[in-house]
Amino acid sequence: QQQVKQSPQSLIVQKGGISIINCAYENTAFDYFPWYQQFPGKGPALLIAIRPDVSEKKEGRFTISFNKSAKQFSLHIMDSQPGDSATYFCAASRNSNSGYALNFGKGTSLLVTP
Amino acid sequence: SQTIHQWPATLVQPVGSPLSLECTVEGTSNPNLYWYRQAAGRGLQLLFYSVGIGQISSEVPQNLSASRPQDRQFILSSKKLLLSDSGFYLCAWRSGPGKSYNSPLHFGNGTRLTVT
Repeated sequence: QQQVKQSPQSLIVQKGGISIINCAYENTAFDYFPWYQQFPGKGPALLIAIRPDVSEKKEGRFTISFNKSAKQFSLHIMDSQPGDSATYFCAASRNSNSGYALNFGKGTSLLVTP
Repeated sequence: SQTIHQWPATLVQPVGSPLSLECTVEGTSNPNLYWYRQAAGRGLQLLFYSVGIGQISSEVPQNLSASRPQDRQFILSSKKLLLSDSGFYLCAWRSGPGKSYNSPLHFGNGTRLTVT
């Protein structure tokens, strides 16, 4: 079953606006939460990641907000730009013997209009 | 620096034909290796992972198999392809055991497989 649930499936934001993508998880053993960005025809690339011992992490225009009690985390893209148009995946993993494999959400297709 | 190579980039195969996709990693040793499949609206589905030569773990039962004949080589195979095997296949690696499990997962550029 889907261990990480992501919403919305698609998102349209005007240039300069804020893009917000949300994810939720059930497994409390998860302790690493990255976000990946994928452009068409390419493999996903790590954008930003957070561990549950902090509630927020910011890198440039990208911020992860993490709510451990609600088992939710979100990606905020400030001052969204057309170049941010891509598919975004949230993910989670745990320190286990499963090769530290990442469990991904279904992805959000973001379109930033000029 | 580390790089990951995946080929071919695109592949069209008839139903019932065999499949072999290859992935190699350079610039690192003893990586964890992964095969993911991406289908429209279904996100990234983990198919196989490997923590060492000859060690393969399967996450999803299907007619695909994986092998790791060398430390930095990961192969995805099928004896007879099904229509449902169509998709975008991604190989990935991250630092292996003994290193931070928070190390990034690095993806190749994928293989677009169409089964006709």
